[in-house]
Formats: sequence, structure tokens, C-alpha cells
Amino acid sequence: EAQVTQNPRYLITVTGKKLTVTCSQNMNHEYMSWYRQDPGLGLRQIYYSMNVEVTDKGDVPEGYKVSRKEKRNFPLILESPSPNQTSLYFCASSLQTGSNQPQHFGDGTRLSIL
Amino acid sequence: AQKITQTQPGMFVQEKEAVTLDCTYDTSDQSYGLFWYKQPSSGEMIFLIYQGSYDEQNATEGRYSLNFQKARKSANLVISASQLGDSAMYFCAMSGTSGTYKYIFGTGTRLKVLA
Repeated sequence: EAQVTQNPRYLITVTGKKLTVTCSQNMNHEYMSWYRQDPGLGLRQIYYSMNVEVTDKGDVPEGYKVSRKEKRNFPLILESPSPNQTSLYFCASSLQTGSNQPQHFGDGTRLSIL
Repeated sequence: AQKITQTQPGMFVQEKEAVTLDCTYDTSDQSYGLFWYKQPSSGEMIFLIYQGSYDEQNATEGRYSLNFQKARKSANLVISASQLGDSAMYFCAMSGTSGTYKYIFGTGTRLKVLA
């Protein structure tokens, strides 16, 4: 089944404890992206990747890191999480990089930073 | 700066009626893409419809159509014959502006279909 898989789905952790949210897609998609969703703010893009080893900042990259060493994986790293990073996170991918490409989304990861 | 505005935080519609969800955007680019996504209460994000900035015809996908008015910078979603399963949050999004492949989303409209 074609899908974008995020892990974990839920995580409660404490301030300053490094964490990684994994994202993997099995569709050989070129473009991958991370978003955070907060009430009243919609989805905001954190980082995106146009291909292996090619990443760029979205609108809210502060406090996050990403890497794209393989085409299928695009992990989101929070080196020193803070409470303001408590949010619902989505990973998404699209077949190609381009303004006409719809995104396929994972099921989301709910992070709580205490 | 590029921006998507959805001015309707919430809307109600009677089952079987049509409803229009508003979306306006701001960009100085000529080439961009516009999208609508649906987020049911279960949380997943579902792609509904796409409109390219150079497309002359309005996009349609089943009961969904996109009313694209380029000069007014609006890309409203029209849902015909509303069903109870259409109750969800709807997001308008834009991509491809400023020579980048960023995605920008609006704040969403929560639609409730009444039986």
C-alpha cells in the first residue's frame, strides 16, 4: 500500500531531551516536507526536500533539523525541544518537485514537550 | 509576502445543498499552484483538488470544483450536494511562489453539514 509512515504517532517528553520523528514513504517520491499544525494557525511548513541531500527552510525552521540521506526517509530532529514545539506534526511527500504536485500526508505525530 | 487567507473560521450547510469555501491569496508571481485539502475529525489530510495559475478552465473533481478568479486572486472551493461526510476542516494552500517549492496553507474553514 502506498503510504507515508511517521513514527511515533504520539510522544510526551521533557524540555531539552533530543528527539527524532521518522518519516518514510514507499512511493519513490522526490519531494518530502514537514509541517506543524497549531490551532488557529493552519499548517506551517518547517523544512522541505527536493531530492536526496537537497533541503531548504520553510516558514518555521527554528529549533528543527532535517536530513535526506535516502530518497525514502526524511527524519525531523529536535535537538533541544521546548514547550513551544508542542504541536501536531505532519510529514508529506509528492511524486516530483513542482508547483503542481499534491502532497500525500502521513497520519501525524502529536508531540507534547513538558 | 506570499499569503493565503481563509476568512471563514466555521460554516454550516444543510445536507444536499451546495457550499462555497473562500480562499484568497497574495503573490506577485505568475506561476503557482493552488490546492484544497480536507481534514476530517480523524486527523488525516486528504488532497481534494488542484488549480494551476495558467489553467484557463476551473478545476473539477467529482462534487468539488474550484472557482478560480486570477485577477481577484481568489480560489474558492465549491462543494455540491453536501453530504454528512463532508463535515471537516478544509485548507487552501499555494505552492511554487518566489521561485521556491514552499507550501503555504491558510488557517482553515471548519464545515459542518446538517442533516
